Amino acid sequence: AQSVTQLGSHVSVSEGALVLLRCNYSSSVPPYLFWYVQYPNQGLQLLLKYTSAATLVKGINGFEAEFKKSETSFHLTKPSAHMSDAAEYFCAVSEGQAGTALIFGKGTTLSVSS
Amino acid sequence: ETGVTQTPRHLVMGMTNKKSLKCEQHLGHNAMYWYKQSAKKPLELMFVYNFKEQTENNSVPSRFSPECPNSSHLFLHLHTLQPEDSALYLCASSQGSSGGSYEQYFGPGTRLTVT
Repeated sequence: AQSVTQLGSHVSVSEGALVLLRCNYSSSVPPYLFWYVQYPNQGLQLLLKYTSAATLVKGINGFEAEFKKSETSFHLTKPSAHMSDAAEYFCAVSEGQAGTALIFGKGTTLSVSS
Repeated sequence: ETGVTQTPRHLVMGMTNKKSLKCEQHLGHNAMYWYKQSAKKPLELMFVYNFKEQTENNSVPSRFSPECPNSSHLFLHLHTLQPEDSALYLCASSQGSSGGSYEQYFGPGTRLTVT
């Protein structure tokens, strides 16, 4: 069975600082991996996805993530945090079959202070 | 705007009421999903529909009844709910054809409060 672990339920950074949100996955098959962001009172918005084309994936809003098979990790980074990045972030893994649901981590809340 | 709409956005209902949540996607997708998001818990998959056929029911109590009349619409019928059913209910869609890389697009959710 596939699973996702997000280390740290809450991460706080200063504006302009590096953002690092950690995600480790467990999968018996090559995974498809996703990062989503959720702003208050909204649904989930896709930030980026890994589908085996390239290990370093660039997404929207300056975020990127690197797939590391040896570490079973897919950490999300952004070089310089902005106040508008404050939100909840979810890592998810796909079982790799058509029309199957994503397995989500518990989420990490990112706070950005000025 | 993700192309997935949900109505109503907020719903308060008593334990003896019957109500329905509606989801519509304008993306031409073939798979639709219901998720439940409770405070302090990971997103929980409830139901999956592929080409209008239910392909997954994640041990959801029978007081939740899904309906998918076509690939663009998905309903969640609610009756005799419990206070612990209060949560944000999210609808999502994806292409649903071969391959698992197709990301899911989420609606804004319906905030349900059961009194």
